[in-house]
Formats: sequence, structure tokens, C-alpha cells
Amino acid sequence: GDSVTQMEGPVTLSEEAFLTINCTYTATGYPSLFWYVQYPGEGLQLLLKATKADDKGSNKGFEATYRKETTSFHLEKGSVQVSDSAVYFCALDMNTGFQKLVFGTGTRLLVSP
Amino acid sequence: DAGVIQSPRHEVTEMGQEVTLRCKPISGHDYLFWYRQTMMRGLELLIYFNNNVPIDDSGMPEDRFSAKMPNASFSTLKIQPSEPRDSAVYFCASSLQARSTDTQYFGPGTRLTVL
Repeated sequence: GDSVTQMEGPVTLSEEAFLTINCTYTATGYPSLFWYVQYPGEGLQLLLKATKADDKGSNKGFEATYRKETTSFHLEKGSVQVSDSAVYFCALDMNTGFQKLVFGTGTRLLVSP
Repeated sequence: DAGVIQSPRHEVTEMGQEVTLRCKPISGHDYLFWYRQTMMRGLELLIYFNNNVPIDDSGMPEDRFSAKMPNASFSTLKIQPSEPRDSAVYFCASSLQARSTDTQYFGPGTRLTVL
């Protein structure tokens, strides 16, 4: 079935370091792709999305590009802050009409001052 | 807007007891989703509603779980009887529509512990 694979965490970085969190997907068609973020004690929030190949989603300094050839949607940020510490979820939806998100297992990011 | 509201935030109960989780979606949103988050299985969709009608309940684990949406501003997820393996964080989310371009807004979750 359709699935999302994320790199295992935690990812531990110092403030201002460059961030990459890998995400690859398996799908029979052409899904829409999402990154959600979960801050401690809160629900998930949409961070960015891309609906077709080569689209780049961006928000709050984070970026991810939909790569069909490598079935990937890696999340990047040039300079992380302590406030970016959270769990990041990659997800897909198969565009079947009703949105049914399939989530990865999440990657915890810890940023130290 | 207050966002998606869930109650209680934490619930501790004993095995065999009935548990009811509550959700108030964002006003005007036509879709409501219930998710379960565990360390072992990650985030799973249990059921979703459109205009108060259950559309897809294929993710509901077993008959002990039931969900209702009696009106546009309220939904419940009930577990009866509860078991220790039901311990998880349960999230409710709502969206205006359910197309791939739409955004789901999540509540803060209910952390359920079944002893």
C-alpha cells in the first residue's frame, strides 16, 4: 500500500546549523505531499505542502521539493533555531477525492543553543 | 477562532471502563477526522465524517470503538470496554473541505492511559 518513510530521530543540531530530514514515499500514483510539525503538547500543524512533481513548498524558512524521480520530499532549513525543536511528520494523500493522509513515523528535532 | 477543541486533555482509566473523548471542530468546517498516535504504529486515521455523516471508518480497530457526530459542532469517540493497548494520544482534526489542497487543523489531543 501507499506509505511514507522518514529518517529515524532524534536529529540533534546546534542553533544556526543546516537541517535536512529525509522523506521518501511509495505510491501507485501521484500523491500530494505534506510536512506537518508537532510542538510539545500540541496537535499537528501543516508546515508546507506540494501537490505535483517539481513543486517546492516553503514556510517559515523551511523548504521541500517534490522529486518524482527519487520519490522524495526532503525537508530543509538553512539555519535552525531552538524554537524549531519539535516532531516533524511527512505525509501523503493520493488525490482520490477525499483527503486521507498517510503519515510517516515522525522525526524528532532537538536544537540546542 | 479557538481552533479544534478536545476534552479531556488527559484521561486515566482502568481496563474495562468506558471512555468517551470529545471534539469540537472549527466552525464551518465540513470534515472531521479522528486519529490515534502510538509509538508502535505512528499516526493512524480511525474515521472521518463529512457533514456529520461517517464516510470512512475502515481505520477503526475493532467493535469496541465507536464514533458519532450528532451535530456540526460536536463529535465523540467512545471505547467500551477499554484495554491497556488502547493507551495512546487521540487527535481530532477538521477541515473546510477534504481535497488534497485543503488543510487539516488538529486539536491538542487527548492522552489516554488505560491501566
